[in-house]
Amino acid sequence: KQEVTQIPAALSVPEGENLVLNCSFTDSAIYNLQWFRQDPGKGLTSLLLIQSSQREQTSGRLNASLDKSSGRSTLYIAASQPGDSATYLCAVNDDTSSSASKIIFGSGTRLSIRP
Amino acid sequence: NAGVTQTPKFQVLKTGQSMTLQCAQDMNHNSMYWYRQDPGMGLRLIYYSASEGTTDKGEVPNGYNVSRLNKREFSLRLESAAPSQTSVYFCASSEVLGQQETQYFGPGTRLLVL
Repeated sequence: KQEVTQIPAALSVPEGENLVLNCSFTDSAIYNLQWFRQDPGKGLTSLLLIQSSQREQTSGRLNASLDKSSGRSTLYIAASQPGDSATYLCAVNDDTSSSASKIIFGSGTRLSIRP
Repeated sequence: NAGVTQTPKFQVLKTGQSMTLQCAQDMNHNSMYWYRQDPGMGLRLIYYSASEGTTDKGEVPNGYNVSRLNKREFSLRLESAAPSQTSVYFCASSEVLGQQETQYFGPGTRLLVL
């Protein structure tokens, strides 16, 4: 059974620093991997989606990488800002289907950017 | 567009009481989902509906029922609430563009069962 792990559970860094969030998954046979952002009291918003055939995706100050063989993904945030404070969740979609019903979520990393 | 809306935002129930969580989307999406989120855990799928008139169990369906009333609405019912069902419940809908299925989430319903 696929398991998605995110360590650490919480991270606090000063504003302006570059940082990396980590995600690992146990079964490398995935269809795609997504990174989501969740603000307190809100739902999830998709940030980046990497297909299994891709190595990375970029959006603005965010860069997500995928290493299927090692079962790892990282989310790199450049020049962090207080507005980046949120919980970031990693989610993988199993190889059997592209359906969102097959998505397995990690428990998230709660990121706090100190002004 | 309001996106995905959920009601109520908060609810306190006593053990054994029943309630229905409402979800609606105005994006004309075929697929809709109900998740629960517990502290220290990722979202877990309760039920989903791939299209109007169909529903399927997810990872944790026990204690819940769903109803896809029409294309817009997907409700989640707790017939006899238990403290273990204390959680934050999220509804989502999705669209498929090419090979990608993108989900849109509602703001969540916080449920406390005493």
